[in-house]
Amino acid sequence: GQQVMQIPQYQHVQEGEDFTTYCNSSTTLSNIQWYKQRPGGHPVFLIQLVKSGEVKKQKRLTFQFGEAKKNSSLHITATQTTDVGTYFCAGRGGFKTIFGAGTRLFVKA
Amino acid sequence: DTAVSQTPKYLVTQMGNDKSIKCEQNLGHDTMYWYKQDSKKFLKIMFSYNNKELIINETVPNRFSPKSPDKAHLNLHINSLELGDSAVYFCASSQDSVRTEAFFGQGTRLTVV
Repeated sequence: GQQVMQIPQYQHVQEGEDFTTYCNSSTTLSNIQWYKQRPGGHPVFLIQLVKSGEVKKQKRLTFQFGEAKKNSSLHITATQTTDVGTYFCAGRGGFKTIFGAGTRLFVKA
Repeated sequence: DTAVSQTPKYLVTQMGNDKSIKCEQNLGHDTMYWYKQDSKKFLKIMFSYNNKELIINETVPNRFSPKSPDKAHLNLHINSLELGDSAVYFCASSQDSVRTEAFFGQGTRLTVV
């Protein structure tokens, strides 16, 4: 069945450093979404990528969808303490959307 | 106004009990979901309804039974609760089942003792 792997599981950074999380699917995806969950909170939608090779930016966040539509990444430039939380990718292949395991980001001030 | 609201926020109960979690969305969405998030933060879909019809039913014990009285509501009833059911349960909705963005509720933290 479809699997969505996300790495790393955890990432500790110093404030101001960059951060990247990667998502890989076992099957070709029709789209991929990214969510952020703050500690104690609920997942909040960040963005959806649909096209092969698509790149989208939201301020310090850059999202990429691979050419083969099997992988994606989220890059945060110059992290801030407000970036703390767990970042999930969610890939749709066929009928279902499968969430990755998430990458928990810790930012030290 | 909360877009997706679920109650209760916390639920502590003994093994063997039956409990329900309610969810309502006021976004006019056609599709609603139940997710389970365990202690390791894995988010797993349990059920999905589109216009009151069940469209996704993952490998979930029969003790879990969703009910959608109308497309704005999706409740989750759990029979004979077990320790392993302890988790945070999230309700979510999206415009349609093709998966436009999902809006999540605040979550219900279920603790079975």
